[in-house]
Amino acid sequence: EAAVTQSPRNKVAVTGGKVTLSCNQTNNHNNMYWYRQDTGHGLRLIHYSYGAGSTEKGDIPDGYKASRPSQENFSLILELATPSQTSVYFCASGPPGQTNSDYTFGSGTRLLVI
Amino acid sequence: QQKVQQSPESLTVSEGAMASLNCTFSDRSSDNFRWYRQHSGKGLEVLVSIFSDGEKEEGSFTAHLNRASLHVFLHIREPQPSDSALYLCAVFSNTNKVVFGTGTRLQVLP
Repeated sequence: EAAVTQSPRNKVAVTGGKVTLSCNQTNNHNNMYWYRQDTGHGLRLIHYSYGAGSTEKGDIPDGYKASRPSQENFSLILELATPSQTSVYFCASGPPGQTNSDYTFGSGTRLLVI
Repeated sequence: QQKVQQSPESLTVSEGAMASLNCTFSDRSSDNFRWYRQHSGKGLEVLVSIFSDGEKEEGSFTAHLNRASLHVFLHIREPQPSDSALYLCAVFSNTNKVVFGTGTRLQVLP
């Protein structure tokens, strides 16, 4: 069954440390997305990608980098983690043109930066 | 830039009473709309998708889209306590980006 898998499920990091969140999809979708979810803000788009080798800035990219080494994998990188980046992070994949019936979310990664 | 807002922020209803949630968007050319449900600490569950003006029903969930007024509603028929959750509206456009509302937290009292 096609799916979006995120790892780790939970992560505790120290301020100033480097954090990498991973996302793998078996949907063969070109587009992949990283969101964060905070109370009162819904889901906000951090970075997205149109395919291997491509990364684009979303609405709140500051403090984050992204990497898309292959069709299946899309990583979110926090080079210098800060407590303000404590949040729940969701990865999603979707085909070009946004047929929303095929838009699939992972289960989320809960990140705590102390 | 697309703006999506949901109201009310929170809603409490009694079991069996209709619950109505509102989502407003700013770009009339938006393609598709989807309602998600999220139980506390869990992932996103798709409830109903709609792309044409009018209504779309999926089980006890009905979406109602009116592009002219920039609204998409979600009506929950005979909600149960298990329907208590955060409800999110998502607006899809041809720019390959999806914008979410801030959510409505629904509580259904037994």
